Amino acid sequence: AQSVTQLDSQVPVFEEAPVELRCNYSSSVSVYLFWYVQYPNQGLQLLLKYLSGSTLVKGINGFEAEFNKSQTSFHLRKPSVHISDTAEYFCAVTPNYGGATNKLIFGTGTLLAVQP
Amino acid sequence: GAVVSQHPSWVICKSGTSVKIECRSLDFQATTMFWYRQFPKQSLMLMATSNEGSKATYEQGVEKDKFLINHASLTLSTLTVTSAHPEDSSFYICSASGQAHLGYTFGSGTRLTVV
Repeated sequence: AQSVTQLDSQVPVFEEAPVELRCNYSSSVSVYLFWYVQYPNQGLQLLLKYLSGSTLVKGINGFEAEFNKSQTSFHLRKPSVHISDTAEYFCAVTPNYGGATNKLIFGTGTLLAVQP
Repeated sequence: GAVVSQHPSWVICKSGTSVKIECRSLDFQATTMFWYRQFPKQSLMLMATSNEGSKATYEQGVEKDKFLINHASLTLSTLTVTSAHPEDSSFYICSASGQAHLGYTFGSGTRLTVV
């Protein structure tokens, strides 16, 4: 079984400052990893995903994440945030076998609150 | 990119009635659909997984007779909340994935309010 831990329920940050949202996972098998963003009353939008290859993954809106297998982490970073980045961010994991039929396991989410 | 259309975006219904929510994959074949429920300021709770042409697999604690899921085609899945009660009020989100598309594309969600 897999699990995801997002230790920070809320991260306040000033506009144009860098930010890191932490994600750690637990799994007995290899996994695929995802970061999603959710704006109020909307569905989830994929920011980036790690399937294989380079451990540094670049996504949309200037976000990137680094897969660290030894630390079982997949932290999300952005060098300079904007007010419009204020949203809920979810880390998710799924085992990397069975194709696209495995369910995603979500973390509890981190609210990124960007202040002017 | 992959797009999933979910309708309606919001619905208000009377207690005891049924509500159907549709989820369509517009530009890819969704072999698997996932239905989630999300309470305010909480994460997504998986309700069920459905593969095209098969019966849905429900998560523990989810009443399959109350939350009817149909996945009759590779582009459409529906969730019907039967005999809705106020405690069923929530945000419901679908997600679609296909063999040629590993990205778990999400619909925009449906806000259900039962009065």
